[in-house]
Amino acid sequence: RKEVEQDPGPFNVPEGATVAFNCTYSNSASQSFFWYRQDCRKEPKLLMSVYSSGNEDGRFTAQLNRASQYISLLIRDSKLSDSATYLCVVNTAGGYNKLIFGAGTRLAVHP
Amino acid sequence: EADIYQTPRYLVIGTGKKITLECSQTMGHDKMYWYQQDPGMELHLIHYSYGVNSTEKGDLSSESTVSRIRTEHFPLTLESARPSHTSQYLCASIGLGETQYFGPGTRLLVL
Repeated sequence: RKEVEQDPGPFNVPEGATVAFNCTYSNSASQSFFWYRQDCRKEPKLLMSVYSSGNEDGRFTAQLNRASQYISLLIRDSKLSDSATYLCVVNTAGGYNKLIFGAGTRLAVHP
Repeated sequence: EADIYQTPRYLVIGTGKKITLECSQTMGHDKMYWYQQDPGMELHLIHYSYGVNSTEKGDLSSESTVSRIRTEHFPLTLESARPSHTSQYLCASIGLGETQYFGPGTRLLVL
């Protein structure tokens, strides 16, 4: 079983739609969590960290459920520019900053 | 924008050649990482370093080697390139926070 699992998609949605991605992780001792965005043929870039209390950044909302070991990302009012692959990332326990990347969920927003 | 650089950006080389992929960061980060990513696939950690003279192998077995003689420099070497080494290689670093900054990557094609 992979340490971080995501639905690969693709999610094909129209502009303005709300879309949600989920991610599960296997290591219950994992300490910190992130969503990264990766555009085609580009490097991953941090989208947002995920806090236990949940956090919001504009149209993006991230949630963490430690009991069920899953993380979610909600995108409201989707834009064409949101089309990318969204990577769920978990920092392994121990403070060594060894990030485990999920395989990513592809999002395609169409007009 | 993160100050992390990789050269070359693209490399086409014949089987059996020795190659070194360069990675440099000007942020003074101690922790640096090398990932391998095939098109449309997840990132795999192949090497990491927590500081000068520290190197560790990652989760994915790799025939490459790395060195960390200076904080800012983390080169990856393949002694004898093979077609199976064709991939994208991404270098990253982490500073005081947990944000991992990626370089633009090197796309390697071994003929």
